[in-house]
Amino acid sequence: GAGVSQTPSNKVTEKGKYVELRCDPISGHTALYWYRQSLGQGPEFLIYFQGTGAADDSGLPNDRFFAVRPEGSVSTLKIQRTERGDSAVYLCASSSPGTGSNTGELFFGEGSRLTVL
Amino acid sequence: GENVEQHPSTLSVQEGDSAVIKCTYSDSASNYFPWYKQELGKRPQLIIDIRSNVGEKKDQRIAVTLNKTAKHFSLHITETQPEDSAVYFCAASLGSARQLTFGSGTQLTVLP
Repeated sequence: GAGVSQTPSNKVTEKGKYVELRCDPISGHTALYWYRQSLGQGPEFLIYFQGTGAADDSGLPNDRFFAVRPEGSVSTLKIQRTERGDSAVYLCASSSPGTGSNTGELFFGEGSRLTVL
Repeated sequence: GENVEQHPSTLSVQEGDSAVIKCTYSDSASNYFPWYKQELGKRPQLIIDIRSNVGEKKDQRIAVTLNKTAKHFSLHITETQPEDSAVYFCAASLGSARQLTFGSGTQLTVLP
């Protein structure tokens, strides 16, 4: 597609439930990132994939959060036993390999707004 | 880890005036500094970026300056227009990947 696509755009769930958020990056972009943005704050890094593998998952807040990218394209962010504090906009971004040592710019999706009641 | 601080949190200017937003970072190894514009309910969009081997970069009405010694960088918007109204975020990262640390944002309002 023309841009990074995220589904669902809005998700309302109850505390304790399991949710999956999907990201379809720009075709040909090998790097994929998940960020979380709380109201009035800047995005916060969660995890970064280079191809199929998680190159850096240091931003995941705890073991309830997990992400996969099995075929190196679409990624799914999975949240178990959701808590009210998980409510935020979850942003996905992708980037091209770039040139030389300079990775291309990040292109963000519109985000998935998660509300945990 | 990296820490990025951004000031001011809100900024109002008259149309046609200039706007300046400042950020400081903590990790001297950071080498990539992008600025994003985010309109309400929309995705962040890159407006300009600078790498640590450059001191200043300009793109039409937008410029970014970087002072590596002081570990701060600034966004300058000249001849502001109402459509410049948005939240602006600075960010920093090190290495070739894009695990960005963002500032807390500046709500810019351009008054007609």
